[in-house]
Amino acid sequence: SSELTQDPAVSVALGQTVRITCQGDSLRSYYANWYQQKPGQAPILLIYANDNRPSGIPDRFSGSSSRNTASLTITGAQAEDEADYYCNSRDSSGSHLVFGGGTKLTVL
Amino acid sequence: EVQLVESGGGLVQPGRSLRLSCAASGFTFGDYAMHWVRQGPGKGLEWVSSIGWNSGTIGYADSVKGRFTISRDNAKNSLYLQMNSLRTEDTAFYYCARGIFGGDDYGDLFDYWGQGALVTVSS
Repeated sequence: SSELTQDPAVSVALGQTVRITCQGDSLRSYYANWYQQKPGQAPILLIYANDNRPSGIPDRFSGSSSRNTASLTITGAQAEDEADYYCNSRDSSGSHLVFGGGTKLTVL
Repeated sequence: EVQLVESGGGLVQPGRSLRLSCAASGFTFGDYAMHWVRQGPGKGLEWVSSIGWNSGTIGYADSVKGRFTISRDNAKNSLYLQMNSLRTEDTAFYYCARGIFGGDDYGDLFDYWGQGALVTVSS
């Protein structure tokens, strides 16, 4: 089992806002990063260090973190945002890297 | 353009060995930490191993420690994963990913990923 917990599935209506969360005690001490993975493709980095967006990532993706929970928000979800989303950070000891179990986003 | 290309995957019997390679281009390989991440069929992402820019820091997931060895050759812009005593549960796509620039350890960020190499462990 992962030390980072994500809801297995979330749905959002086209054009609406959705928040995907990642919970874990280690997030009180370490940054969270977020990745998007579409079927048959490698993951891509969406958000790093809690709330930073790499160049080329649309600004409808944003990140935040508070206490033991990191969040990825998609403002105005598009059909192409339907994908699996993973958070990652370190474990509580800091010596291992961990991923959340992933959240499957469906855009209705 | 950053490119990471994995090779060396295939079908192998339990208990045997396999070596994965990752060829990097489009950036100064020797300046960056590198990682291996795997994804079993229908499963989520799992961190496997990481190595700092100068091989000074190395880390392994508990599930592979003692069986897998990560290494790099900065002169050849290449990352490797030697996998010994393979088990059926090691069956997965293995992704090579770029990490942080410099640093005292390998960091926790994967900013570019290869397309993956499939390793199937089965008798």
